[in-house]
Amino acid sequence: QVQLQESGPGLVKPSETLSLTCTVSGGSISSYYWSWIRQPAGKGLEWIGRIYTSGSTNYNPSLKSRVTMSVDTSKNQFSLKLSSVTAADTAVYYCARDSSGSLGYWGQGTLVTVSS
Amino acid sequence: SYELTQPPSVSVSPGQTARITCSGDALPKQYAYWYQQKPGQAPVLVIYKDSERPSGIPERFSGSSSGTTVTLTISGVQAEDEADYYCQSADSSGTGFGGGTKLTVL
Repeated sequence: QVQLQESGPGLVKPSETLSLTCTVSGGSISSYYWSWIRQPAGKGLEWIGRIYTSGSTNYNPSLKSRVTMSVDTSKNQFSLKLSSVTAADTAVYYCARDSSGSLGYWGQGTLVTVSS
Repeated sequence: SYELTQPPSVSVSPGQTARITCSGDALPKQYAYWYQQKPGQAPVLVIYKDSERPSGIPERFSGSSSGTTVTLTISGVQAEDEADYYCQSADSSGTGFGGGTKLTVL
């Protein structure tokens, strides 16, 4: 059974860079897209972007200028960096496996708060 | 385009049928997916490729598509089905979600 686990700081200062890692267990990271999605408290889901195991990426146009994703197949991990954060970036961040559009496996989510 | 429109809320009594719609201009060309999210939990895929049901999802969940609208139908609604439901569409450039529908079981 594939499992995903997000990790990273729960508190980030305004203007700094948010960094999260998703560790995949129970299966290989190869040959799939891997997505990041976020959800502010009480609001809906927002797709941030995805990365293929080759390193190819697609980003949400509204966040593209601030997002960088990377993948480390040797560690079965992929990562998200979001720069110049503000309070509007406070949210629960999820990682998920993207199989031809289906997000069939999700991490439990991690809350990131942007505050000084 | 991933602009998807859902009704904010739907209410049904136990045992009745709930229908949640999702509209978007790209839906005739893109598959739709549906997720159930309960408070404090990650979303769970309940329908993929418009009408396919993942293993482990009860048969009372079904999906359909007609033109620019896709519909999630929950037959014989149970109290445990109370949750937020999100539609999603995807293409080679990425994906997007509808705003979500809160299903209330009266």
